[in-house]
Amino acid sequence: GESVGLHLPTLSVQEGDNSIINCAYSNSASDYFIWYKQESGKGPQFIIDIRSNMDKRQGQRVTVLLNKTVKHLSLQIAATQPGDSAVYFCAEKGNSSTLTFGKGTMLLVSP
Amino acid sequence: GAVVSQHPSRVICKSGTSVKIECRSLDFQATTMFWYRQFPKQSLMLMATSNEGSKATYEQGVEKDKFLINHASLTLSTLTVTSAHPEDSSFYICSATGGVFLNEQFFGPGTRLTVL
Repeated sequence: GESVGLHLPTLSVQEGDNSIINCAYSNSASDYFIWYKQESGKGPQFIIDIRSNMDKRQGQRVTVLLNKTVKHLSLQIAATQPGDSAVYFCAEKGNSSTLTFGKGTMLLVSP
Repeated sequence: GAVVSQHPSRVICKSGTSVKIECRSLDFQATTMFWYRQFPKQSLMLMATSNEGSKATYEQGVEKDKFLINHASLTLSTLTVTSAHPEDSSFYICSATGGVFLNEQFFGPGTRLTVL
């Protein structure tokens, strides 16, 4: 059932700042990682992905960094805008077709 | 990217009734669909993996007799919550993969289920 009192980690930034959202993953065998953005009441939206043979990948205003040594993933958003306010999830994929989602971080961007 | 739809977007039902949620891939053939459940301020938890034409594979702790999944065609999977109770109230999200999108999952917009 539902749990009460849970709070997502929250990152509050000013419009125009750069944002960095972090994620620790658990499975050292995971070879594919994805960042998703989820706005309230909507499904996850793909942002950017990275394979384990890379340590950095850039998109439009977003960069994903992968550190396999410490099993850490980060999402950097440049010049954050109010429309970037959402919950961000990392997800990992190993040999199976299934994704395992991280706990999520809420990003709040104030104008 | 590909488009996945869900219907209904929100549903309110009485305790003890059954509710069916549809997940459709609109512009590609989804050989595999996934059903997730998400409680407020929590992450997505995979409930089951559904391959077209075969029985769904349920994650540990998910009751297959309570959450009936049917994936009878390459564009449609349904999740039926049987004998729903208030603790089943949640946000149910499907995703789909297949065809040229074999390595990607496209997510539906979710269905908010409230059981009174």
